[in-house]
Amino acid sequence: QSVLTQPPSVSGAPGQRVTISCTGTSSNFGSNYDVHWYQQLPGKAPKLLIYGNNNRPSGVPDRFSGSKSGTSASLAITGLQAEDEADYYCQSYDNSLSGSWVFGGGTKLTVL
Amino acid sequence: EVQLLESGGGLVQPGGSLRLSCAASGFTLSSYAMTWVRQAPGKGLEWVSAISGSGMSKYYADSVKGRFTISRDISKNTLFLQMNSLRAEDTAVYYCAKDRSQWGAYGLDVWGQGTTVTVS
Repeated sequence: QSVLTQPPSVSGAPGQRVTISCTGTSSNFGSNYDVHWYQQLPGKAPKLLIYGNNNRPSGVPDRFSGSKSGTSASLAITGLQAEDEADYYCQSYDNSLSGSWVFGGGTKLTVL
Repeated sequence: EVQLLESGGGLVQPGGSLRLSCAASGFTLSSYAMTWVRQAPGKGLEWVSAISGSGMSKYYADSVKGRFTISRDISKNTLFLQMNSLRAEDTAVYYCAKDRSQWGAYGLDVWGQGTTVTVS
């Protein structure tokens, strides 16, 4: 059971817009810690997609955007492309107990 | 170019030990927090351990606390993960990753290719 909750899967047709939700708690998002998003292509290492809730590293297309409000966050992908098919993970910091980095369980995006 | 290269994975019996290494290039370990993240076969990402840029603060997931130790050698710009009392559930690909800040929790912007640990 992951600290951050994501849907196991989402899907969309090429060109469509999809969103992936990530639900936290008072000890992570509710304590004002940022959410970060990673894309993991099959057989590859994760790649930072969004940091600090809604910032894109250099080289990430503006089709990817993030938002956070209260104890919820979401990743939006517009103009869906076949190469977007991957696993997506949200991540934050949690100040419960001794503190830790926490990940969501991951969402498999299928491009139909 | 900023890069991380892990090594040290392999097959080990339950109860055994392994030391993973992560050689960093293109940046200085002492300027950034570093983490270890693992991924069991067919599963999601799991945070394992982290060390602050100063090296003064070390953090561990409850699942590895007391068994794993994170450390670094600044002269070699290399991060380590000493894993003792290994269990079958520690089987995973282990990634080292660089945080965007020296304190941690600002996003992991550089990842290694991963090294596979099999406990059997």
